Amino acid sequence: GAVVSQHPSWVICKSGTSVKIECRSLDFQATTMFWYRQFPKQSLMLMATSNEGSKATYEQGVEKDKFLINHASLTLSTLTVTSAHPEDSSFYICSASGWVSTDTQYFGPGTRLTVL
Amino acid sequence: RKEVEQDPGPFNVPEGATVAFNCTYSNSASQSFFWYRQDCRKEPKLLMSVYSSGNEDGRFTAQLNRASQYISLLIRDSKLSDSATYLCVVSLGSGKSTFGDGTTLTVKP
Repeated sequence: GAVVSQHPSWVICKSGTSVKIECRSLDFQATTMFWYRQFPKQSLMLMATSNEGSKATYEQGVEKDKFLINHASLTLSTLTVTSAHPEDSSFYICSASGWVSTDTQYFGPGTRLTVL
Repeated sequence: RKEVEQDPGPFNVPEGATVAFNCTYSNSASQSFFWYRQDCRKEPKLLMSVYSSGNEDGRFTAQLNRASQYISLLIRDSKLSDSATYLCVVSLGSGKSTFGDGTTLTVKP
């Protein structure tokens, strides 16, 4: 149980394009989904927290107009990086909670984004 | 002061060694505690939850000391495959968790 998938696993795009990343909880309904970013050899950085049917809560310093989050159902959340630039290149990881408790997070395999 | 602090290491130990990691947290209202492991270029994976009574899973033992606000993870008989970064995670019970920066362990033959 508690399987979280992410798609795509990696993506390379040109500067200025938008990239959508999907996060799905495959075998449970996720009350909350989280989006993180991690640069090489650095710690996880929480970008935003989203609950199904409501607006995401963004962490300080994260531009909500650049990182659009949609949490349309209890099993799907999407992160769209709009007008991506090379500095957005990073490892984006989602997690979902709600299988065991609201506090136990299960992570997707991550999406490696490279913006040329 | 960070909400969750870990010794970044790296810890370099030989196979078979016992190694312990500590993690301190600043918010006394914290309710849930976890250890995750993260391999290089992979996502974090839940290793174990940490309870006040302490819990053990094979070679791994986790302890929680609420009075001193620290959590520990003990790994016995280290294996090469234990090499990873170990993340301490603390939650207030509201669904949002705070991650430590991680402690890197390298087990050498």
